[in-house]
Amino acid sequence: SYVLTQPPSVSVAPGQTARISCGGDNIGSKSVNWYQQTPGQAPVLVVYDDSDRPSGIPERFSGSNSGNTATLTISRVEAGDEADYFCQVWHSDSDHYVVFGGGTKLAVL
Amino acid sequence: QVQLQESGPGLVKPSQTLSLTCTVAGGSLNSGDHYWTWIRQSPGKGLEWIGYIYYFGTTYYNPSLKSRLTMSLDTSKNQFSLNLTSVTAADTAVYFCARAGEATGELDSWGQGALVTVSS
Repeated sequence: SYVLTQPPSVSVAPGQTARISCGGDNIGSKSVNWYQQTPGQAPVLVVYDDSDRPSGIPERFSGSNSGNTATLTISRVEAGDEADYFCQVWHSDSDHYVVFGGGTKLAVL
Repeated sequence: QVQLQESGPGLVKPSQTLSLTCTVAGGSLNSGDHYWTWIRQSPGKGLEWIGYIYYFGTTYYNPSLKSRLTMSLDTSKNQFSLNLTSVTAADTAVYFCARAGEATGELDSWGQGALVTVSS
């Protein structure tokens, strides 16, 4: 089965840039989606198809994907960005499956 | 804007069947460009894909749950449902329903989640 690996935690000071990685075998050949989840809430889609943003998501959120690593970048980090972030890929070939990374806790210092 | 809402018992006894329904408002299950999805999250843990159902009834399940899982949809009520048999404490989780895009599988709309506890 396909495995996505994320760091358990990332810490960043307000105003700085946070980068959250998501590693997977040849993940660059897949579409990666990213979600933000705050305690007690459902996840919210913040980046889809590697680098597109849904309407209403600030431009500070961006994504990239190449080789074996996808990255979510949050520029000018704010206190309100403190949350868990999950990457996700979707496979739809002869069979279908969805895989999530283990999640990264973003701490804003 | 589409909205999803889970409903069902919050407490299920071990070995019994967990049943949840997701009601969709502001969008149609017949749209043909989305997969209707169930995901769960055990307390303090990450997200686990359970499976999804397409508008004409085709289902795709997580292999680890496949033997216990059935999904269905009722287009007349704009609802889709989940049945998970022979539950154990390991099935205790918040269960989310969500809508997945057909092209890249992004989960762009989620229900608020329903906590289901398996306990005698």
